[in-house]
Amino acid sequence: GDSVTQMEGPVTLSEEAFLTINCTYTATGYPSLFWYVQYPGEGLQLLLKATKADDKGSNKGFEATYRKETTSFHLEKGSVQVSDSAVYFCALNYGGATNKLIFGTGTLLAVQP
Amino acid sequence: EAGVAQSPRYKIIEKRQSVAFWCNPISGHATLYWYQQILGQGPKLLIQFQNNGVVDDSQLPKDRFSAERLKGVDSTLKIQPAKLEDSAVYLCASSLVVGHGNEQFFGPGTRLTVL
Repeated sequence: GDSVTQMEGPVTLSEEAFLTINCTYTATGYPSLFWYVQYPGEGLQLLLKATKADDKGSNKGFEATYRKETTSFHLEKGSVQVSDSAVYFCALNYGGATNKLIFGTGTLLAVQP
Repeated sequence: EAGVAQSPRYKIIEKRQSVAFWCNPISGHATLYWYQQILGQGPKLLIQFQNNGVVDDSQLPKDRFSAERLKGVDSTLKIQPAKLEDSAVYLCASSLVVGHGNEQFFGPGTRLTVL
């Protein structure tokens, strides 16, 4: 079945460091890929998405490229801030009538000043 | 625009008791989802409604969980009787439409602890 695998956390970085959170997926078809972020005490928020191979999603300095050949959607940011500390979830779905998101286990990012 | 509302935010019950959660989606959103997020795991879909009809409840433990969406707006999720393994955060989400790449908007969740 379809699944998403994320690198385990926590990831601890100093402010202004480069961030990569790895995400790979297993899919029977051609899904859309998402990164959601969950800040402390808040609900999940969409960070970025890509709907087809080679698309790059970007938002708030974060970016991820849909790589069909490596079945990956790694999240990157050039310079993290303390305010980026959160849990990041990679997810996929197919749209259609059954629109469920299939999530990875999440990666906790802690950015220290 | 108001977001997805959920209540209560926290609930502590003993096993074998009943509990109900409430969700009010974003106005105009036809599709409503309930996800279960167990500590250390990603959210897992329990049930999806399109207006007031069920689209997908394949992951809902129907012997103890039930959900309804009256009039295609608010929804309630009930657990009766609760088990220890039901301790989790229950997330409600809504979307305007379904389709490739469409965003789901999540509420803050209800954290359930079963003792």
